[in-house]
Amino acid sequence: DMKVTQMPRYLIKRMGENVLLECGQDMSHETMYWYRQDPGLGLQLIYISYDVDSNSEGDIPKGYRVSRKKREHFSLILDSAKTNQTSVYFCASSSGGADTQYFGPGTRLLVL
Amino acid sequence: GEKVEQHESTLSVREGDSAVINCTYTDTASSYFPWYKQEAGKGLHFVIDIRSNVDRKQSQRLIVLLDKKAKRFSLHITATQPEDSAIYFCAAVASSSFSKLVFGQGTSLSVVP
Repeated sequence: DMKVTQMPRYLIKRMGENVLLECGQDMSHETMYWYRQDPGLGLQLIYISYDVDSNSEGDIPKGYRVSRKKREHFSLILDSAKTNQTSVYFCASSSGGADTQYFGPGTRLLVL
Repeated sequence: GEKVEQHESTLSVREGDSAVINCTYTDTASSYFPWYKQEAGKGLHFVIDIRSNVDRKQSQRLIVLLDKKAKRFSLHITATQPEDSAIYFCAAVASSSFSKLVFGQGTSLSVVP
């Protein structure tokens, strides 16, 4: 069953707190992504991971870092969250190249 | 880098009519153009794509047209149904990396009975 999971689905944090968003996939995909979605802006790529410990900045990496220690698992970390990081975060995976990306259900993060 | 513009932010059609969503891109080297659908409160899921070696592709009620000269591509949904109501995103592969997609801003489609 091709699935991308995200935890937690909803999260409320105070400004300055650390945030950990987790993503898993069961398709053995090499490539995984973190995006954020804001109204009117579509999806913006934060980080891309080509495999374990092979991560690359996307278009808006500032304020974020990632960790990929297992192929099926990709984490997004916000050190000292800011209010402008309030957003919906999506994880995706693909087999690489110009191939279909499979998305998780998203995490709604509110930073107060 | 690549930029993708999605021209309609909202679109309303009557059930049974056709809906057309238009996108333009900037990078002449782009070669892959997928479309994704997002239902309320959910993640995106792939619906159809087109590659630059063809100018038309159809999958059931979905048709994608690609005009490479104009750097424009469009999604046509024929015989619309209420379950087609969703946000649709166009995207183009970034020539800097074939693994990266650049998304349009999304079009919210409403199919009214």
